[in-house]
Amino acid sequence: DAKTTQPPSMDCAEGRAANLPCNHSTISGNEYVYWYRQIHSQGPQYIIHGLKNNETNEMASLIITEDRKSSTLILPHATLRDTAVYYCIVPRPDNAGNNRKLIWGLGTSLAVNP
Amino acid sequence: EAQVTQNPRYLITVTGKKLTVTCSQNMNHEYMSWYRQDPGLGLRQIYYSMNVEVTDKGDVPEGYKVSRKEKRNFPLILESPSPNQTSLYFCASSSTGWVGELFFGEGSRLTVL
Repeated sequence: DAKTTQPPSMDCAEGRAANLPCNHSTISGNEYVYWYRQIHSQGPQYIIHGLKNNETNEMASLIITEDRKSSTLILPHATLRDTAVYYCIVPRPDNAGNNRKLIWGLGTSLAVNP
Repeated sequence: EAQVTQNPRYLITVTGKKLTVTCSQNMNHEYMSWYRQDPGLGLRQIYYSMNVEVTDKGDVPEGYKVSRKEKRNFPLILESPSPNQTSLYFCASSSTGWVGELFFGEGSRLTVL
């Protein structure tokens, strides 16, 4: 299983960059890294995903190390509305050997402070 | 607007009284899934469906049933609810199977007394 490890909580000042780390040392060569966030008890929201190269979209940037054993999600200018739990996920194969399941850990609870 | 709609959003029921939580998506997605979320345990997959009439168990399927008769709907059925099924439930869908962007509903908070 490609498990992930994230710090349980982080703080960030409003307007500053929030850098959320994730370790996934057992990731295999064709497995993607996905990031979602969950604001309070709302449904999780997709943020970004990547394989090898760094990725950027309107929400965030994803930096993946060359060995792919870790990644960092970057919120360039955090706002109070970015306060949420952030999940880093690497899908794992089901019993048939297909990657059909996502294991959701407890994520990182990010608090953006005024 | 693209969305996943769950109903009811909140429900208090009693042990043994059958209930159904509906899930509907308007994005023509093939893949749909149900999760439950409990404090300290994160999201756990209950069942998923790769397409119409194709369903499979997730990690915690005991006590639940699902059906996928139409592409847009994926109801979760609790035939005989028990207190340990008190939880926050989420339905999700995706156009690309299990990978890619999952769209989640707003959640259904179920309490079984």
